[in-house]
Amino acid sequence: QSVLTQPPSASGTPGQRVTISCAGGSSNIGIQTVNWYQQLPGTAPKLLIYNTNQRPSGVPDRFSGSKSGTSASLAISGLQSEDEAHYYCAAWDDSLNVPGVAFGGGTKLTVL
Amino acid sequence: EVQLVESGGGLVEPGRSLRLSCEASGFTFNNFELHWVRQAPGKGLEWVSYISSGGGNTFYADSVKGRFTISRDNAKKSLYLQMNSLRAEDTAVYYCASVPDYGGNSVPRYWGQGTLVTVSS
Repeated sequence: QSVLTQPPSASGTPGQRVTISCAGGSSNIGIQTVNWYQQLPGTAPKLLIYNTNQRPSGVPDRFSGSKSGTSASLAISGLQSEDEAHYYCAAWDDSLNVPGVAFGGGTKLTVL
Repeated sequence: EVQLVESGGGLVEPGRSLRLSCEASGFTFNNFELHWVRQAPGKGLEWVSYISSGGGNTFYADSVKGRFTISRDNAKKSLYLQMNSLRAEDTAVYYCASVPDYGGNSVPRYWGQGTLVTVSS
């Protein structure tokens, strides 16, 4: 059971816009910024978005992030076949018991 | 270019110990916070442990607390994870990850390629 909740799957057709949600709480997304990662099979996670809406150099502007309250979203516009991957959200969790990084369970994006 | 290279993984029997290492290059090591994150076969990402840039603060996931110890050597630009009393459920690819301590949050940005730890008799 992950601290952050993501839909297990999402899909879209080439050129379409898709969004992936990430639901958290008052100890994580509610007070912290969010990172998003893309993971292709057999490879390490790759940073797509940091600090909720910042893109590292080299990441296409088709990828964008946002946050509202205790939820965050990753939007991918102009969907391409190479976007088919697993996507994870993450945020620092200031829980008194176990401060650390909370990950979402991951969303498998399929490009139809 | 930030590079993180893990080593030390392998096959180990339940109850035994293993020490993972992560060598860093391409950035000012002592200005970065570091994490270990693992991924069991076919599963999602699980945060394991964190150490601050100076090494003074460490945090652990409940699943490894008391068994794993994170440490760093800023002079050697290296991160370590001492894993004791290993269990079958510790089987995973272990990733070393970093984030600048001026970065806005302490969540991983840069990742190594991972090292596989298999706990089995």
